[in-house]
Amino acid sequence: EAGVVQSPRYKIIEKKQPVAFWCNPISGHNTLYWYLQNLGQGPELLIRYENEEAVDDSQLPKDRFSAERLKGVDSTLKIQPAELGDSAVYLCASSLGGGRAGAKNIQYFGAGTRLSVL
Amino acid sequence: DAKTTQPPSMDCAEGRAANLPCNHSTISGNEYVYWYRQIHSQGPQYIIHGLKNNETNEMASLIITEDRKSSTLILPHATLRDTAVYYCIVRVPQGAQKLVFGQGTRLTINP
Repeated sequence: EAGVVQSPRYKIIEKKQPVAFWCNPISGHNTLYWYLQNLGQGPELLIRYENEEAVDDSQLPKDRFSAERLKGVDSTLKIQPAELGDSAVYLCASSLGGGRAGAKNIQYFGAGTRLSVL
Repeated sequence: DAKTTQPPSMDCAEGRAANLPCNHSTISGNEYVYWYRQIHSQGPQYIIHGLKNNETNEMASLIITEDRKSSTLILPHATLRDTAVYYCIVRVPQGAQKLVFGQGTRLTINP
């Protein structure tokens, strides 16, 4: 079974340029998460989707970041324009979601996209 | 979610048992203890979780103290591939809440 797939793995851009990251969750997983991981730190949630609805986007910097999950499957995270401080790893995760799995509602992570803004 | 405290780094010899401690003195009665690890250049990987009983799976064992204020993740026969950052997370199981990661413990397995 395929895990969470993210692309690209690496991206280098100049500041003020736009950038987009793509995520394909595990089949059947209703909940999708985007996390940001700065160097030497643990991941921090940016946004969580239940199907196609963003149910927690309180940590998403909405002036430059946007996300979508059309049809409740794949998701795209966009930054426009990118700033030097956006250099980080962007992780996507998915889980069965809701109360269906209870304590076993395990989040599975992709390998991430490492963004470098020059 | 309750806060956790872990040592920043640990070393262990290959083939030995690696014991990673975690303090969660403010844990609530309905909160579970989860462990994830992150190998270099990969996303976090689920290892194990538990409420109050000791748990074991193919990857590790989890020992939770009787008062639930601390726990220990045990890798019984550590290999070089177990070198990673290990995160202890406490959270309620209901719903699909975010995982709140701390700094974790950087475990280095030495040959």
